[in-house]
Amino acid sequence: QQPVQSPQAVILREGEDAVINCSSSKALYSVHWYRQKHGEAPIFLMILLKGGEQKGHDKISASFNEKKQQSSLYLTASQLSYSGTYFCGTVRGGAQKLVFGQGTRLTINP
Amino acid sequence: ETGVTQSPTHLIKTRGQQVTLRCSSQSGHNTVSWYQQALGQGPQFIFQYYREEENGRGNFPPRFSGLQFPNYSSELNVNALELDDSALYLCASSSGQGATEAFFGQGTRLTVV
Repeated sequence: QQPVQSPQAVILREGEDAVINCSSSKALYSVHWYRQKHGEAPIFLMILLKGGEQKGHDKISASFNEKKQQSSLYLTASQLSYSGTYFCGTVRGGAQKLVFGQGTRLTINP
Repeated sequence: ETGVTQSPTHLIKTRGQQVTLRCSSQSGHNTVSWYQQALGQGPQFIFQYYREEENGRGNFPPRFSGLQFPNYSSELNVNALELDDSALYLCASSSGQGATEAFFGQGTRLTVV
């Protein structure tokens, strides 16, 4: 079952913050976050496995709620290079496949 | 760069034809997954191969088939091509199943006319 991402699109000015959400109707085994620029392959950002987990690097971080049904990606003080489409991919227990959401298009303007 | 390479990068085929796409996984990775990405959509899971065996399949018809070789490279074959098969085909390699990081290749852009 495909996770639901919100919002579908965000437009920011450089330096502003953004939050992208990813929700599932059932508990997940893991959540994976990717960024894809136009015409390029998705780039792995991070994976979350544990309920209540938070992790991040640089100014991009993510959380996984206690029930393991929702994850949020936080982009702080956004840079022009953060532009692209962000996808969450989810894995449910017992399944091998990574199911992606429909994506959130992030545009950063100078 | 991820070390995952796909070939060819672009391909144009006629409806009804067959196509084979290739993927070389990252060194040390034994799992390859294939995805179809239509314009403006998220990647859709086709199937996964783990140590040369199919290990999970998405909602794609049997004319989508695959293979994984002893060196863990992989092929995606599509028979009886339809216009709706036009998409970006991505492969991703990982060192395990499901809960590990997956690294994508640049993709093959397939156009069916």
